Amino acid sequence: DAGVIQSPRHEVTEMGQEVTLRCKPISGHNSLFWYRQTMMRGLELLIYFNNNVPIDDSGMPEDRFSAKMPNASFSTLKIQPSEPRDSAVYFCASSLNNEGGTEAFFGQGTRLTVV
Amino acid sequence: AQSVTQLDSQVPVFEEAPVELRCNYSSSVSVYLFWYVQYPNQGLQLLLKYLSGSTLVKGINGFEAEFNKSQTSFHLRKPSVHISDTAEYFCAVRKSGTYKYIFGTGTRLKVLA
Repeated sequence: DAGVIQSPRHEVTEMGQEVTLRCKPISGHNSLFWYRQTMMRGLELLIYFNNNVPIDDSGMPEDRFSAKMPNASFSTLKIQPSEPRDSAVYFCASSLNNEGGTEAFFGQGTRLTVV
Repeated sequence: AQSVTQLDSQVPVFEEAPVELRCNYSSSVSVYLFWYVQYPNQGLQLLLKYLSGSTLVKGINGFEAEFNKSQTSFHLRKPSVHISDTAEYFCAVRKSGTYKYIFGTGTRLKVLA
């Protein structure tokens, strides 16, 4: 398996524009996570899905952020409109959740810069 | 709420010296524990994990960690570090029966020549 695949790797956009980040989890995994990493706040969990259903979105900073998982092999994180303070590295991770407690596998991240 | 504390934000250490990175978690129930490493401009990579059984867990790159239930700790150790170990290290916990992974704030290990 190629691992968790995120696209794009880098995104530079102007304030006010819509940004869509994409993630393909590892085949067979049933949980998917979106994290945001900044120097100031570290690694924050934004939202996670189990079997394509959002379970906890309490980490989503505000209504400008939305995430979807239309099927088991694809998820998006959308920011509309984007603001400079959204600049960060966004990671997608997936895991196979069972009582064995397997680990989360991370993608390479998308570095977002909003100017 | 579940939390993970990494007390040291930065740890400088000379090459070939031993190192310990500290991690404490808050939970009164069964947990799974993980250590991840992040190299610059890369994602997080699993170093090791504790699920059950032996409290001493060995991982990749010569790292090991010990689960101490009474102290709710999961400290990471390496007896002799290399320059290539310079990276950021994250401790994470997942409560049994839940899906959520909670990460600490990370410890930046800098190995000096």
